[in-house]
Amino acid sequence: GENVEQHPSTLSVQEGDSAVIKCTYSDSASNYFPWYKQELGKRPQLIIDIRSNVGEKKDQRIAVTLNKTAKHFSLHITETQPEDSAVYFCAGAGFQKLVFGTGTRLLVSP
Amino acid sequence: EADIYQTPRYLVIGTGKKITLECSQTMGHDKMYWYQQDPGMELHLIHYSYGVNSTEKGDLSSESTVSRIRTEHFPLTLESARPSHTSQYLCASSEGTVYEQYFGPGTRLTVT
Repeated sequence: GENVEQHPSTLSVQEGDSAVIKCTYSDSASNYFPWYKQELGKRPQLIIDIRSNVGEKKDQRIAVTLNKTAKHFSLHITETQPEDSAVYFCAGAGFQKLVFGTGTRLLVSP
Repeated sequence: EADIYQTPRYLVIGTGKKITLECSQTMGHDKMYWYQQDPGMELHLIHYSYGVNSTEKGDLSSESTVSRIRTEHFPLTLESARPSHTSQYLCASSEGTVYEQYFGPGTRLTVT
């Protein structure tokens, strides 16, 4: 089955800096790679996703890249703000279910 | 308002009790899921359902069961609660695809 690894487990940046979170997956059949954001005490929410036939996707300050050959994908947040502080989960999606990474706790200091 | 609801939000019970965690969604989604998550930690899939009368076990070994008699309702039952079941339980649903899931607010369970 699918296995998704995520790094780093924690990431601290200064406001305005960029943040990068990386994930690798094992199942070549996975064809969607969503990213979820979970703020403290709240439910996870989908923030962006990328399909396996796309190399990069952007939405304002966030972007995702996918290297299908190497089986890794990344989340890039530019001009970080304190409200970006949260736990971020990558995931691999096949036909039946999502497999989540272990999460990255991002802390943005003012 | 279309949303996904979970009750109770908090529950403290003794070891050996039978409990049912409720999950309902008003979005008409066909797929529903249960996850176990310690706060801020990894999401572990316990059970999922493609639709009415369909249930599957997830990746996390669990002494729980689910049922899907109605599209909107997906309850999770623990026959005999143990302290190791202490965690947060998140219900989610999706329409069509599996990658865009909507999560409920969670039930925080403590077994003493």
